[in-house]
Amino acid sequence: QKEVEQDPGPLSVPEGAIVSLNCTYSNSAFQYFMWYRQYSRKGPELLMYTYSSGNKEDGRFTAQVDKSSKYISLFIRDSQPSDSATYLCAMTYDNAGKSTFGDGTTLTVKP
Amino acid sequence: DTGVSQDPRHKITKRGQNVTFRCDPISEHNRLYWYRQTLGQGPEFLTYFQNEAQLEKSRLLSDRFSAERPKGSFSTLEIQRTEQGDSAMYLCASTSGGIQVGTEAFFGQGTRLTVV
Repeated sequence: QKEVEQDPGPLSVPEGAIVSLNCTYSNSAFQYFMWYRQYSRKGPELLMYTYSSGNKEDGRFTAQVDKSSKYISLFIRDSQPSDSATYLCAMTYDNAGKSTFGDGTTLTVKP
Repeated sequence: DTGVSQDPRHKITKRGQNVTFRCDPISEHNRLYWYRQTLGQGPEFLTYFQNEAQLEKSRLLSDRFSAERPKGSFSTLEIQRTEQGDSAMYLCASTSGGIQVGTEAFFGQGTRLTVV
């Protein structure tokens, strides 16, 4: 079993919809939680990172962490066609800073 | 400095050949990471450097793989005697520190390796 499991998708929504992307994890030592966006054949781009349980908002994006349930989510409000990409959750637990990634959810936002 | 740079972007090689990839991190970043990503999977950690010191290697990094970061600047990843299973995207990332400040990892565009 993988340490980080991500809802596989793919996900297809109409423009303007609210999108929910989710990951669960098994290692309670994870301390930092990140969401990356990856366009086809490109490197991942950091969207948000959080440390504690709770919500963090940045524009149309909200990251939510529930450490008690080992569950994290990324919400995208008013989704746009330009949001179409693969979204990767990632987690870090040690001073090395190396990350364990989920396998990604591919999102398509249709105009 | 516009970000993490990787070269080449694409590499096609015959099985059994050696290949070398280069990564130039963001100039003030002292930590550099190598990841491998296959189709439909998330990136998997291979190894990382703090300045010129290689501090950790994943079990994924077989003896055919070697990474260096001379002088703590650019890094190279070499694969000897390539196998078809080595076909993947090889990603480099850099950060300015450890877990307290360095979780903002910036990735390069990757080197896509195809072994035929």
